[in-house]
Amino acid sequence: DTAVSQTPKYLVTQMGNDKSIKCEQNLGHDTMYWYKQDSKKFLKIMFSYNNKELIINETVPNRFSPKSPDKAHLNLHINSLELGDSAVYFCASSQAGQGAGYTFGSGTRLTVV
Amino acid sequence: AQTVTQSQPEMSVQEAETVTLSCTYDTSESDYYLFWYKQPPSRQMILVIRQEAYKQQNATENRFSVNFQKAAKSFSLKISDSQLGDAAMYFCASGGVTGNQFYFGTGTSLTVIP
Repeated sequence: DTAVSQTPKYLVTQMGNDKSIKCEQNLGHDTMYWYKQDSKKFLKIMFSYNNKELIINETVPNRFSPKSPDKAHLNLHINSLELGDSAVYFCASSQAGQGAGYTFGSGTRLTVV
Repeated sequence: AQTVTQSQPEMSVQEAETVTLSCTYDTSESDYYLFWYKQPPSRQMILVIRQEAYKQQNATENRFSVNFQKAAKSFSLKISDSQLGDAAMYFCASGGVTGNQFYFGTGTSLTVIP
């Protein structure tokens, strides 16, 4: 049983296309996140949802739009993809206040050509 | 806001030896948690060890232990009897008890030499 499941694992697409990455967690956590890991391995938070409510929305281009239909799912849609969007995107979940840390998905390597 | 600093971009250790990875942090939270995550070439982020700031005793998980110095805001990771499988990127992170967000350092790339 995969705790945090991300699909797809790899995504290669052309500039200008629109793509989505899906994330689902079966841990019963109330908070989910999207992180971007660049080529230098730096992890930057993009969004966070708590019980379907957006609580963290960092400075991210409007082309990125998260959607959380329920607390077990957090999807990321990207419009008009650019070369600079190439990175690894991680979904993670946690239970607020428990201090157990994040559980990460396996990441989606997005390559824009 | 919180900041986490890892001053060693790269480290190497001989197999079976011991290595210590450094981490310092800054937080305004009165109660918080600290973590070390491992990211091997498979890119999966794996929780290695966690420390509750209100506990003075250093956390230990098998060959992994921490040296938590609360006053100095230091949280180093010691890996004993290093194995080839320990080669990975290691990230230090901190998070408040009441908050939702954890803050990550820039990572230390560990090479294990056979």
